[in-house]
Amino acid sequence: LAKTTQPISMDSYEGQEVNITCSHNNIATNDYITWYQQFPSQGPRFIIQGYKTKVTNEVASLFIPADRKSSTLSLPRVSLSDTAVYYCLVGGMDSSYKLIFGSGTRLLVRP
Amino acid sequence: SQTIHQWPATLVQPVGSPLSLECTVEGTSNPNLYWYRQAAGRGLQLLFYSVGIGQISSEVPQNLSASRPQDRQFILSSKKLLLSDSGFYLCAWSAGGNEKLFFGSGTQLSVL
Repeated sequence: LAKTTQPISMDSYEGQEVNITCSHNNIATNDYITWYQQFPSQGPRFIIQGYKTKVTNEVASLFIPADRKSSTLSLPRVSLSDTAVYYCLVGGMDSSYKLIFGSGTRLLVRP
Repeated sequence: SQTIHQWPATLVQPVGSPLSLECTVEGTSNPNLYWYRQAAGRGLQLLFYSVGIGQISSEVPQNLSASRPQDRQFILSSKKLLLSDSGFYLCAWSAGGNEKLFFGSGTQLSVL
């Protein structure tokens, strides 16, 4: 079962690019890497998912190296509204769909 | 489109009382279903998950139980609540093979 490790917190300023790295050394062959954003008193919201290489959507990019033992969520030009907790989640068929969240990264965006 | 309904939004219960939280998913079939709990300021703790009707996997054996009486219905129960059961309970679903989780709006449970 892949365990994830992320920085506990990060600070940034509006307009900057933020990169949050997640370590998942025990990722299984069929596991996907998924990132979520959570605001207080809300359920986490899906941001982006990938299996390998690079994935980009309208809000973020996800970089996954060839060995897949880590991944980096990139948020371009953050705003105050990006202040939230970000979770990296690794799982899939190989882990019997047992999806365990790590501690997450608390991102604070300052004006 | 798929939607997930979770209720109630808030609940205040005395210690020792029973609990029943219900979650239903619409617009999909045979979803994987999950119950998570989040203590104030903490991360999400996986409580139960189910990959099919009648199939429940438990991560937290304590005084909570889960059932899946129908394909798209997931129920979290307790016979006697403890103070430590207070928290934010979240139901989520995913399509098997695609681990994108979609969460309900959550239930804030306070046990007094």
